[in-house]
Amino acid sequence: GAVVSQHPSRVICKSGTSVKIECRSLDFQATTMFWYRQFPKQSLMLMATSNEGSKATYEQGVEKDKFLINHASLTLSTLTVTSAHPEDSSFYICSASTADQETQYFGPGTRLLVL
Amino acid sequence: AQTVTQSQPEMSVQEAETVTLSCTYDTSESDYYLFWYKQPPSRQMILVIRQEAYKQQNATENRFSVNFQKAAKSFSLKISDSQLGDAAMYFCAYSLIQGAQKLVFGQGTRLTINP
Repeated sequence: GAVVSQHPSRVICKSGTSVKIECRSLDFQATTMFWYRQFPKQSLMLMATSNEGSKATYEQGVEKDKFLINHASLTLSTLTVTSAHPEDSSFYICSASTADQETQYFGPGTRLLVL
Repeated sequence: AQTVTQSQPEMSVQEAETVTLSCTYDTSESDYYLFWYKQPPSRQMILVIRQEAYKQQNATENRFSVNFQKAAKSFSLKISDSQLGDAAMYFCAYSLIQGAQKLVFGQGTRLTINP
C-alpha cells in the first residue's frame, strides 16, 4: 500500500517558538494532503486541506496564520505551528490521497508538546 | 453537514469470537465513500475496509466485513475470528466522492480482545 511519512515523530518546544512538521508521500504523488489534530482519547479533527501549488483550505475555527501549511511539491506538505503555546500540544497527523482520490493514507503522526 | 456517529465507546470480545462495531451517518448526498480505520497503540491510522455507496455488495477484507444499509445510513464492521492484534481504536469515516474528499470521523470505538 501507499506509504506516508512524518517528521519529526515527537517534538518538545518552548512556548513562543515555531515548529515545522513534514509530511511526505514516499511511493506515490499526492495532489492533496490533509492535516488532522487528535487530542487524547478523542477522534481526528480535520484542520486543513493542502493542495499542491495552491493555498490550503482551512476548516472553520482553525487559525490559518497560526497553522501555516505549504504544499510545495507532489510529495511534500509542511505544517508550521507558529508561536506555539501549551494549548497547541497535541497529536498532529497528515494524510495523502492517491491519484484516484478514493482513499487517504495516513502518516504515523507527530506528538507536539509545548512547555 | 455530514456527521458520523459511533454509539459504542468500548467493546470487548473473546479471542476467536466475532464482534460487530456500529456506525451511523447522516448525509444528503447519494455518492460517497465509507471507511473503517484502525488506530492501534502506535497511533498509526490503518485502513481496514472501504465501501462505495453506489455498490450494493458489502465490502469484505479477509476477516473484516461490513453491513452497509444505505437507506438506514448504517455501516457496521464485523470482525470474525478476533485476534489479539485486532485490539485498537476503530474509527468509522465518511467522505464525498466529488470534491476534496475530506474525511469526517466518528468518535471511535475502543476494542479489547480478551485472551
